[in-house]
Amino acid sequence: AQKITQTQPGMFVQEKEAVTLDCTYDTSDQSYGLFWYKQPSSGEMIFLIYQGSYDEQNATEGRYSLNFQKARKSANLVISASQLGDSAMYFCAMRERDRPYAGGTSYGKLTFGQGTILTVHP
Amino acid sequence: GAGVSQSPSNKVTEKGKDVELRCDPISGHTALYWYRQRLGQGLEFLIYFQGNSAPDKSGLPSDRFSAERTGESVSTLTIQRTQQEDSAVYLCASSLEGTGRTKNIQYFGAGTRLSVL
Repeated sequence: AQKITQTQPGMFVQEKEAVTLDCTYDTSDQSYGLFWYKQPSSGEMIFLIYQGSYDEQNATEGRYSLNFQKARKSANLVISASQLGDSAMYFCAMRERDRPYAGGTSYGKLTFGQGTILTVHP
Repeated sequence: GAGVSQSPSNKVTEKGKDVELRCDPISGHTALYWYRQRLGQGLEFLIYFQGNSAPDKSGLPSDRFSAERTGESVSTLTIQRTQQEDSAVYLCASSLEGTGRTKNIQYFGAGTRLSVL
């Protein structure tokens, strides 16, 4: 079974509008982390935002926010006020055994979804 | 350096040849990861280093793949007897593993695009 599912192969948004990129995940771990990365055409993976499974508040980083619904196992990325430079591939990823709250080191490979290509129109 | 550096940025090789891909992590980062990204796909985990040890090699696809890390710094991913199916972008990431409330974010290099003819 897929651990990370991104059901939108491509999304289009008008400049200055908001867009939501969907991500659902599957894990039996109680402590896990969810990440979003942006991959422009240059290929580099750029970290955008992190949400820990025990975080009570949804994560926000500037124009990025994460709509975390634990019961539904979804971690959607919301980009507000889209800009032309936001056009890129976006990946959702999960790290299981994420233990930053237990005082231990958190280790974990990231498991990635298939990505969503976002195109921002002027 | 300021970020994760990978070399070469592009590598074209013939089937059956060996290749070495290099990763220089962010200075002071104790953890280092290798991932593979096939065209149009998400990233697949290959191997993880903590210091110079590799506690998780579970993603290496075959015994043709190996990796090492020295000086708790640079890492080399070696692919022996390359096959066309090895064609992909190989990405390296590093993170500052720590205790307590730390996010241990993985920061990625730009990758090495490997083409096996």
